[in-house]
Amino acid sequence: GAVVSQHPSWVICKSGTSVKIECRSLDFQATTMFWYRQFPKQSLMLMATSNEGSKATYEQGVEKDKFLINHASLTLSTLTVTSAHPEDSSFYICSAREQEPFNEQFFGPGTRLTVL
Amino acid sequence: GQNIDQPTEMTATEGAIVQINCTYQTSGFNGLFWYQQHAGEAPTFLSYNVLDGLEEKGRFSSFLSRSKGYSYLLLKELQMKDSASYLCAVLDSNYQLIWGAGTKLIIKP
Repeated sequence: GAVVSQHPSWVICKSGTSVKIECRSLDFQATTMFWYRQFPKQSLMLMATSNEGSKATYEQGVEKDKFLINHASLTLSTLTVTSAHPEDSSFYICSAREQEPFNEQFFGPGTRLTVL
Repeated sequence: GQNIDQPTEMTATEGAIVQINCTYQTSGFNGLFWYQQHAGEAPTFLSYNVLDGLEEKGRFSSFLSRSKGYSYLLLKELQMKDSASYLCAVLDSNYQLIWGAGTKLIIKP
């Protein structure tokens, strides 16, 4: 099956710093990538949808200036958490979808962010 | 609005059978997914249903009734490793996944 990688797997940073998370589709071209956030004991929350070469579409309540998403190529999307604060500590998961079939969505292993 | 309902938590015994239900109300329907998620890990794909009926895959089966907006995941011969959260998700008319809150399944020996 298709493989999606994320880097780093976990990161600890100081409050006020920025953190970049990479999401790569390793053996397929992902025209669409999704970024999710998951707090402990809660379900996945979609943050934004990004299509290669265009601006990301953010879900209501997600600050686009704080969570910068770049989908520069068909195999790479990045999420940058700017000026991170302790409340941004969460499990961030990306998923990727090929152009067809639309029903296939593959998840990365996730990145655990802890902001001190 | 769009809504997916599934029980918050279920408990079952090792070796037994458990059925996790999911009801949905979404704008459009392009299929329903079941994912398994162990604590601290990303979800992993279990099943996809787009037509009515039962899909069997080993110990796991998934059923769909589009007219009722209903699905269930059936797990047989439960093993301790099946302890996890099970997420129901529907692909809506915009091909966006709408997620349920997940059902935490606890397996007891």
